[in-house]
Amino acid sequence: DVQVSESGGGLVQPGGSLRLSCAVSGSTFSRHGMIWVRQVPGKGLEWVSAIGGSGVTTYYADSVKGRFTISRDNSESTLFLQMYSLRAEDTAIYYCAKLASGSYTEDWGQGTLVTVSS
Amino acid sequence: QPVLTQSSSASASLGSSVKLTCTLSRGHSSNIIAWHQQQPGKAPRYLMKLENSGIYNKGSGVPDRFSGSSSGADRYLTISNLQSEDEADYYCETWDSNTRVFGGGTKLTVL
Repeated sequence: DVQVSESGGGLVQPGGSLRLSCAVSGSTFSRHGMIWVRQVPGKGLEWVSAIGGSGVTTYYADSVKGRFTISRDNSESTLFLQMYSLRAEDTAIYYCAKLASGSYTEDWGQGTLVTVSS
Repeated sequence: QPVLTQSSSASASLGSSVKLTCTLSRGHSSNIIAWHQQQPGKAPRYLMKLENSGIYNKGSGVPDRFSGSSSGADRYLTISNLQSEDEADYYCETWDSNTRVFGGGTKLTVL
């Protein structure tokens, strides 16, 4: 079975930075695209960013473009999300997820809560 | 980019069936989608991939009670013999070359 596990969430002040990590096991990590999705508690899912299997191609939602950076370490089967210039509206549960070869989201992590507040 | 439209809520009785709808925006009616279930307090869970043709492929462990179908720009998730654990939020997802979108979600109440 594939296991996806996020870490790194916490409380950060507005304008601050935070780095999320996501460890994946049980699959050939480098063969799969990965994404970050966030969810304000009580609200819907919002796609944040995606990265191809090699790490060369990256994509961002307009709401985070220029402030967030997605990356991966295939040797460690780990995905990252570096977040800068954080705003109150970035407060959410952040989910890491593995894409299937057909590009749909197949395996979800349990999520990590990011709270941006003074 | 594509837009997915879902009803905000639905309800059905225990043991009955319910059909949830996800509608693709103009120009994207042939897109493949995926359905996900999010039970209260839990992370989302992948249910199935659903093609324009109506062919669907379910995730590991998804009960036979869950099925998918398509008609034009509409993608459906049908849950038969509703159980209490089916009370959850259901999201559809689609993607194109450089973006990914989720529908607003349907909150299903099992009466």
